[in-house]
Amino acid sequence: SQQGEEDPQALSIQEGENATMNCSYKTSINNLQWYRQNSGRGLVHLILIRSNEREKHSGRLRVTLDTSKKSSSLLITASRAADTASYFCATDRSGNQFYFGTGTSLTVIP
Amino acid sequence: SQTIHQWPATLVQPVGSPLSLECTVEGTSNPNLYWYRQAAGRGLQLLFYSVGIGQISSEVPQNLSASRPQDRQFILSSKKLLLSDSGFYLCAWSVGTGYQPQHFGDGTRLSIL
Repeated sequence: SQQGEEDPQALSIQEGENATMNCSYKTSINNLQWYRQNSGRGLVHLILIRSNEREKHSGRLRVTLDTSKKSSSLLITASRAADTASYFCATDRSGNQFYFGTGTSLTVIP
Repeated sequence: SQTIHQWPATLVQPVGSPLSLECTVEGTSNPNLYWYRQAAGRGLQLLFYSVGIGQISSEVPQNLSASRPQDRQFILSSKKLLLSDSGFYLCAWSVGTGYQPQHFGDGTRLSIL
């Protein structure tokens, strides 16, 4: 079964607003990654946060990790129409493999 | 810089026909290679994983197989396709440990008729 589950499944916001997506997982992890997927394309890595980190920033992206709650959130600030995509969290499993969640579909309305 | 090539982009095949999808990586050596399948509106299911030439790990029982004849070449095959094999197939690579990101190709949309 999949490890990560994103919430909400779909999110629609106006351009300029902030978008928050959440990811919950079931077992202990070493790191958690967030990926973006444009429709019909491959996934693109956005950010990795290690289990000993609580928050990480990259441009307009802010990721938090709460290992006690087994959850992570991805915040996209000042959203743009180009941010429209699906966003996935991925948690590490054995070796170099990851569990991917089912994704949050984000629509940013211009 | 590293690049990953996956082809074809789309494929329509009849039930019972064979399949061969190819993925190649450039600009890196000894990558970990992965095949995923993504059903419509769903997450990614890991199908196969390889850490080196000839070394293939299979995640789920199925009528698909994978091979790695060269360091940077990963092939997904089937002798006889089923309707349930339809989906979006993604190839990815990574290096080193699980602290490294995976890099994905643009995928193959496979439709079985």
